[in-house]
Amino acid sequence: DPKIIQKPKYLVAVTGSEKILICEQYLGHNAMYWYRQSAKKPLEFMFSYSYQKLMDNQTASSRFQPQSSKKNHLDLQITALKPDDSATYFCASSRGGDAEQFFGPGTRLTVL
Amino acid sequence: QQKVQQSPESLIVPEGGMASLNCTSSDRNVDYFWWYRQHSGKSPKMLMSIFSNGEKEEGRFTVHLNKASLHTSLHIRDSQPSDSALYLCAASKGGNTGKLIFGLGTTLQVQP
Repeated sequence: DPKIIQKPKYLVAVTGSEKILICEQYLGHNAMYWYRQSAKKPLEFMFSYSYQKLMDNQTASSRFQPQSSKKNHLDLQITALKPDDSATYFCASSRGGDAEQFFGPGTRLTVL
Repeated sequence: QQKVQQSPESLIVPEGGMASLNCTSSDRNVDYFWWYRQHSGKSPKMLMSIFSNGEKEEGRFTVHLNKASLHTSLHIRDSQPSDSALYLCAASKGGNTGKLIFGLGTTLQVQP
């Protein structure tokens, strides 16, 4: 059984629209993260949450908003989508601090 | 310039051979190094981590760290075709945010 679930697996959106990427983890972890991976760029840290509180935000744009309704959920809302937002978005989780991070399968977003 | 630099960009080794991958951080504030492996179309999975000067071995994988130069290397002996993947090095600072700073990676191809 997958321990980190990301939905949807693939997502196509039009420029200017809004989408929500879903992430749930069943590892009993307290910390969750979002990363983005696009062509020719390193895997990029976006947000970290611990016990549902924001710990770090490296995303310059307010168009990206994480939402944590439960301890094991960390969704990512993206508004006013742009073609540059096209990437694979990975959710990850860990026991917190400097513990190993486990990555989910990713959501591949394409913005037309 | 990337804060975490990896070399070589790509590497081809014969089956049974030794693969050596390098990684250096230009950010002197990092404390921990991580090696992740990402097969094509999949999510990154942690291979090894190293926090102290010296060497650590796990099966066919050995990682070295020189904290003075912030250089780490990953060595894979008896390489197998299933080792063909993108190898990502990440660095992190001690603390609670869990932010991982990734390099662009080394693409390893093991030829049967």
